[in-house]
Amino acid sequence: DTEVTQTPKHLVMGMTNKKSLKCEQHMGHRAMYWYKQKAKKPPELMFVYSYEKLSINESVPSRFSPECPNSSLLNLHLHALQPEDSALYLCASSPLRFRGTGELFFGEGSRLTVL
Amino acid sequence: SQQGEEDPQALSIQEGENATMNCSYKTSINNLQWYRQNSGRGLVHLILIRSNEREKHSGRLRVTLDTSKKSSSLLITASRAADTASYFCATETGGGNKLTFGTGTQLKVEL
Repeated sequence: DTEVTQTPKHLVMGMTNKKSLKCEQHMGHRAMYWYKQKAKKPPELMFVYSYEKLSINESVPSRFSPECPNSSLLNLHLHALQPEDSALYLCASSPLRFRGTGELFFGEGSRLTVL
Repeated sequence: SQQGEEDPQALSIQEGENATMNCSYKTSINNLQWYRQNSGRGLVHLILIRSNEREKHSGRLRVTLDTSKKSSSLLITASRAADTASYFCATETGGGNKLTFGTGTQLKVEL
């Protein structure tokens, strides 16, 4: 199984809602990532988890709260978002290597619209 | 902050022609990777080249890396309509599994 599965595919939420994005992989990868991508822009790194611990937070606002309950699951909890947070949210995983990361395996993304 | 700048931003070619995309980056890297993204979809890894490598091939793809110029190029030979997509270079720096994407090239291959 070489898939990264993201749910939901589409999410519409109001600025006062609380919702979550979910990501799952069964490749035994111990690094998992959240990226944010706006239209016609490159993906921007948000968070990296290594061995289920948060290793990188790219100064992301606290209205985004990541969680890694186990080595296969990654969540992104959303609360009090702004319309400018509307974007494609991409999850990825990779094996952890001694000398840096290898290829990243991406899910198809969750398209978020904040009204 | 973006590490890589790609050019051209957009490229339109006929099927069967070769496509070349260039990536320049700012700081020293562990490796450089290329990804493809079809419209609104997830990214697919194409090829990884390490900082001590100069050239790598995979099928119709050829990647070069010049660390002295901090640049890389991706050549797609004998392009097909199915190659139409956005192509991103991504650089890994430091030791923290941080992969930073370049600005991307939109490739359109016409029949």
